[in-house]
Amino acid sequence: AQSVSQHNHHVILSEAASLELGCNYSYGGTVNLFWYVQYPGQHLQLLLKYFSGDPLVKGIKGFEAEFIKSKFSFNLRKPSVQWSDTAEYFCAVNGNNAGNMLTFGGGTRLMVKP
Amino acid sequence: DTGVSQNPRHKITKRGQNVTFRCDPISEHNRLYWYRQTLGQGPEFLTYFQNEAQLEKSRLLSDRFSAERPKGSFSTLEIQRTEQGDSAMYLCACGTSGLWEQFFGPGTRLTVL
Repeated sequence: AQSVSQHNHHVILSEAASLELGCNYSYGGTVNLFWYVQYPGQHLQLLLKYFSGDPLVKGIKGFEAEFIKSKFSFNLRKPSVQWSDTAEYFCAVNGNNAGNMLTFGGGTRLMVKP
Repeated sequence: DTGVSQNPRHKITKRGQNVTFRCDPISEHNRLYWYRQTLGQGPEFLTYFQNEAQLEKSRLLSDRFSAERPKGSFSTLEIQRTEQGDSAMYLCACGTSGLWEQFFGPGTRLTVL
């Protein structure tokens, strides 16, 4: 069975600070990896995804994530956060199963202070 | 707005009652997923359909939970004899076979008193 761990449950940053949110997964085979974001009062939106190729993927709004296979990690980064990045961030894994069911981590709630 | 709609957005019910939620996916998406999200947790997969066929339902939480997608378009999720532990956000997502991205609806928040 696959599982996803997000070690930071709550993160508080000031605007312009750099962000890194950790994500580790447990799965023995090939995986597809995702970061979803949920802004206050809104639905889950895809931030970025990794399927294969360059392990450094860029998403929307200046976010990027790096897949490190040896560490089973897919950490999310942004060099300079804005107040509008305040949201909850979820890492998710699809273990290449036929149905594409996603396994989510517990989420990280980010608050950016203006 | 992803184009996925869910109704109702909120449902308050008394323990023991049955509830039904509806999801209308993006029309050309043949896959439809149901997830449950409890407070402070990430979404948890429940079941999915490809067209009208329910291809995975072993993760439904109990036999009180059932889902249908009769014509391969909208889907319903029913919970019978609700319990307080069923209180959660129920999310619907859709996608297409061959593409990995899923598009989520706004969810139905269920409160069982």
